[in-house]
Order: sequence, then C-alpha cells, then structure tokens
Amino acid sequence: NAGVTQTPKFRVLKTGQSMTLLCAQDMNHEYMYWYRQDPGMGLRLIHYSVGEGTTAKGEVPDGYNVSRLKKQNFLLGLESAAPSQTSVYFCASSYFFDTSSPLHFGNGTRLTVT
Amino acid sequence: DQQVKQNSPSLSVQEGRISILNCDYTNSMFDYFLWYKKYPAEGPTFLISISSIKDKNEDGRFTVFLNKSAKHLSLHIVPSQPGDSAVYFCAALPGVGGGSNYKLTFGKGTLLTVNP
Repeated sequence: NAGVTQTPKFRVLKTGQSMTLLCAQDMNHEYMYWYRQDPGMGLRLIHYSVGEGTTAKGEVPDGYNVSRLKKQNFLLGLESAAPSQTSVYFCASSYFFDTSSPLHFGNGTRLTVT
Repeated sequence: DQQVKQNSPSLSVQEGRISILNCDYTNSMFDYFLWYKKYPAEGPTFLISISSIKDKNEDGRFTVFLNKSAKHLSLHIVPSQPGDSAVYFCAALPGVGGGSNYKLTFGKGTLLTVNP
C-alpha cells in the first residue's frame, strides 16, 4: 500500500524560482492537508482541502497556492520562492474531517531556497 | 503564543525502562489529544489518542494520561525498546466529536532515544 506519496523528496531552489510539490493518496480520502515543519517548531498547516475542487487557507498560507483538481492529488505551489520557505513539507490525508480520523502523512519534501 | 508545549526537546532512557513524554497545553477549548511518532526521513504516524472524557487510554505498551485540571498529558512507553527511538509530537484539537482536523495544533516534538 502506497498510502500518501510526495514528490519530489528533495529540491533546491533559487530565490524567485517557482515549483510545485505533488501529493498523491490512494486511500480514497476526502480530506487533504499541507504542513510545513521548521526546526524548533511544530507542524504548521499551510492549506487544506475538504474535497475535490475545494481548498482553504490554514495557519501559514502566505506565499503558497494549492489545487485539488482530482480527489487523489493535492498540489502545493510556490510562485516565487523565498529563503523563508526553506522547510520540510508534509502532505497528509484523512477519511473524515474530525477526531475519528487521524491524519496519514507522506514522507515529506525537503526544500531549500538559496 | 504556543498553545501546545513539549518542554523537553529530548529524552534518553535505557531499554526495558519506562519512557515518559510530557505535553502541556494552554487552550482550555482543547478536548481531544493525539500523539504522533516520527522516524527520520519519514512522515509522522498516528500513535494513540485520548478524549477529555477520559483520563487514561492504553494501547499495548503505550498509555496516555490526561489531567485536564492541570492541562497536562503524558505518554508512557513500557517497556521501552530501541525501535521506539523517534520524535514524538503531541497534538490537540478543540471539540470532541466535532473538532475539525484543520484546527489540529502540534507541539514542537520530543526526541526519544532508547539505548540498548
């Protein structure tokens, strides 16, 4: 079982470049999330989606855009990367949207912006 | 303002002994608490949870205790094994049975090392 798959695993960008992080889940989960993890910080929610075609802002959405064109995919875009976006990005999904359904995480994408 | 605090960045224990990981929270609206475990180069995985209507939840070697009046929870691992070495995140949600996952708040994590 693949679960939640994130690509790429690593990426180095220069300031101002753009990129898209791809998250794919094969569990037929309705809900998907993008988090970032920084040293000395907990995971912080960037954006989330409650279903195909929907997106919503999380705690730290600035500088990011997302799209959920297909139920199984959730894309995170950086239009103009900044060094402050150097982080490890985790995608997650859940079947339900509440406490009965813990999050399933991918293995992360380590992004460095120079 | 950190609403979920894990004040110990790291903890080291001997194999076979008890590991106790602590978590404090400040938001009295939190009603549901989870622990996630994370190995290097992997994503977090759900470990155990507890709702505010309980003060203890047990799953094999893992037990979570909740003290609502003190706004404190702890994860006990007995006996500890080298494979338990990982970062443990405490997380909290407001609203039992209705809390939405987008409101999940994570602590910074505690690195547990279990020495053989």
